[in-house]
Amino acid sequence: SQQGEEDPQALSIQEGENATMNCSYKTSINNLQWYRQNSGRGLVHLILIRSNEREKHSGRLRVTLDTSKKSSSLLITASRAADTASYFCATDASASKIIFGSGTRLSIRP
Amino acid sequence: NAGVTQTPKFRVLKTGQSMTLLCAQDMNHEYMYWYRQDPGMGLRLIHYSVGEGTTAKGEVPDGYNVSRLKKQNFLLGLESAAPSQTSVYFCASRLSLPRGRDADTQYFGPGTRLTVL
Repeated sequence: SQQGEEDPQALSIQEGENATMNCSYKTSINNLQWYRQNSGRGLVHLILIRSNEREKHSGRLRVTLDTSKKSSSLLITASRAADTASYFCATDASASKIIFGSGTRLSIRP
Repeated sequence: NAGVTQTPKFRVLKTGQSMTLLCAQDMNHEYMYWYRQDPGMGLRLIHYSVGEGTTAKGEVPDGYNVSRLKKQNFLLGLESAAPSQTSVYFCASRLSLPRGRDADTQYFGPGTRLTVL
């Protein structure tokens, strides 16, 4: 079974609104990463948060990590049409492999 | 610097045929990975390699074999393709950091869309 599970599976919001996606995982991690995938493309790394960090920012992205609840959230502020994509969380379960969740499909309505 | 490249981009096979997918990276990364992505399933790890000459099984290795004869290349083979292997295949690579350090990010190729009839 997969390590990370995103919630919701799909999200549709109006342009300019904020989008929040959640990720839950099962085992201890070294870090958690968020990736974006545009339709028909490979995944692109967005942000990494280490297990000893609680919050991290990168531009319009804000990631939080709660290791006690084994969960993370990705907030995209002031959404744009170009943010339409699928978003995946990934956990570093061991020194050599990263396990991905099933993703959240985000649609931004104009 | 091309990053991670995959060939071919598309392929249609008949059941029982064999083929090899090639992944190449020019970033001198130690680790390389093969994933498959199915609708609503996210990415599932097939096989991975932590260095030249070494490979290991991931979550869904059955029906696939891999080889890492050169550091920059990671090959994924299907010996006898089945319709259940219809999927989009992604290759990824990343740096290897000393034990205890945080992992670096993965860099993905554009994917290979495989259909098995």
